Amino acid sequence: EPEVTQTPSHQVTQMGQEVILRCVPISNHLYFYWYRQILGQKVEFLVSFYNNEISEKSEIFDDQFSVERPDGSNFTLKIRSTKLEDSAMYFCASSELTGANYGYTFGSGTRLTVV
Amino acid sequence: KQEVTQIPAALSVPEGENLVLNCSFTDSAIYNLQWFRQDPGKGLTSLLLIQSSQREQTSGRLNASLDKSSGRSTLYIAASQPGDSATYLCAVMDSSYKLIFGSGTRLLVRP
Repeated sequence: EPEVTQTPSHQVTQMGQEVILRCVPISNHLYFYWYRQILGQKVEFLVSFYNNEISEKSEIFDDQFSVERPDGSNFTLKIRSTKLEDSAMYFCASSELTGANYGYTFGSGTRLTVV
Repeated sequence: KQEVTQIPAALSVPEGENLVLNCSFTDSAIYNLQWFRQDPGKGLTSLLLIQSSQREQTSGRLNASLDKSSGRSTLYIAASQPGDSATYLCAVMDSSYKLIFGSGTRLLVRP
């Protein structure tokens, strides 16, 4: 069964450093998403991406965050200057269409620890 | 603003019991509702997806129902096993195709 692949599985970074989280969505999917889950809290939406541009972003997704599809297979989330509160599990997801009919497929996540 | 609530927050049952997890949402304008399983420190495994026009979905020992008008869903797990121990998350897809998640129910099935 096709999978969404996320790398790395765990990343530790110093506060203030830039990090790039990588995702390979399912090949025929057109919509891509990032969600995050701070330890002990709800999974929350960050951003959706379609046709090479952001469709929607949450209040969390401020100027420190950016997304990119640099080639035909990767989808990345960049945090420019990490803060302690960015420590969380970050999930990438993709869907064939909007997800209304079949839902999303989530990756296994990247645990980001900012020290 | 859509809010999703899950009750109970935690549940401990002996092996073999049938159990029901509850999810409620405040805005009935949803495309679908999904139940996910999350093991500690791991990703999200989709269990069942119910379209807004559907009333229920079944997969093996799992049955999920949806009452959109009242803003409720239940996940029924039959004949629970220790391997079912995990956190179960409910999420609704809102009108802009975002998923709004509940806080989850942490299930422990005791051997």
